[in-house]
Amino acid sequence: GESVGLHLPTLSVQEGDNSIINCAYSNSASDYFIWYKQESGKGPQFIIDIRSNMDKRQGQRVTVLLNKTVKHLSLQIAATQPGDSAVYFCATLLSGQNFVFGPGTRLSVLP
Amino acid sequence: EPEVTQTPSHQVTQMGQEVILRCVPISNHLYFYWYRQILGQKVEFLVSFYNNEISEKSEIFDDQFSVERPDGSNFTLKIRSTKLEDSAMYFCASSEGTGRETQYFGPGTRLLVL
Repeated sequence: GESVGLHLPTLSVQEGDNSIINCAYSNSASDYFIWYKQESGKGPQFIIDIRSNMDKRQGQRVTVLLNKTVKHLSLQIAATQPGDSAVYFCATLLSGQNFVFGPGTRLSVLP
Repeated sequence: EPEVTQTPSHQVTQMGQEVILRCVPISNHLYFYWYRQILGQKVEFLVSFYNNEISEKSEIFDDQFSVERPDGSNFTLKIRSTKLEDSAMYFCASSEGTGRETQYFGPGTRLLVL
């Protein structure tokens, strides 16, 4: 079955540094991936997505890298800010609409 | 900016009682979803809904659960006889299209079953 997991449950970075959050998936047939940000007391918020025909996609201060060979996904946040503090989830599309979420990584930005 | 809204924000109920969680998806969206997140755990897919019928559901979505779009704006999740293990945060989401379309999540309803 599909499973999506994260290498680290928590990550602390200094303000201004770059953050890298990792995610592994098990189903090689997964072809669409999303990173969500969840702030305390709020629902998941879409950050960036990537399809399996791409290795890299950039947004504003965020970059997602996809390595299909090792089934690994990462989210890079440049110049991390206090407002980036949240739990970050990766999710992969298992079937038509069924997204499988990872357990989440809590990012803490230190002043 | 359009957003998904959910009511109530918090719901406390007794075990065995029925609860209805309400959602108002973004107005031009056609696909609607319910997810749940047990405290400290990952978000889990429950069900997706399109064209007034369930299009996909997970193993969690058993006969105790049902969804409905009673009118042109609301999308509801009903739990017929709540169990202690139903305590969780329930998120509604909507999207313009299916699958690889961005899903927009509501703020969630925190359900506590006593």
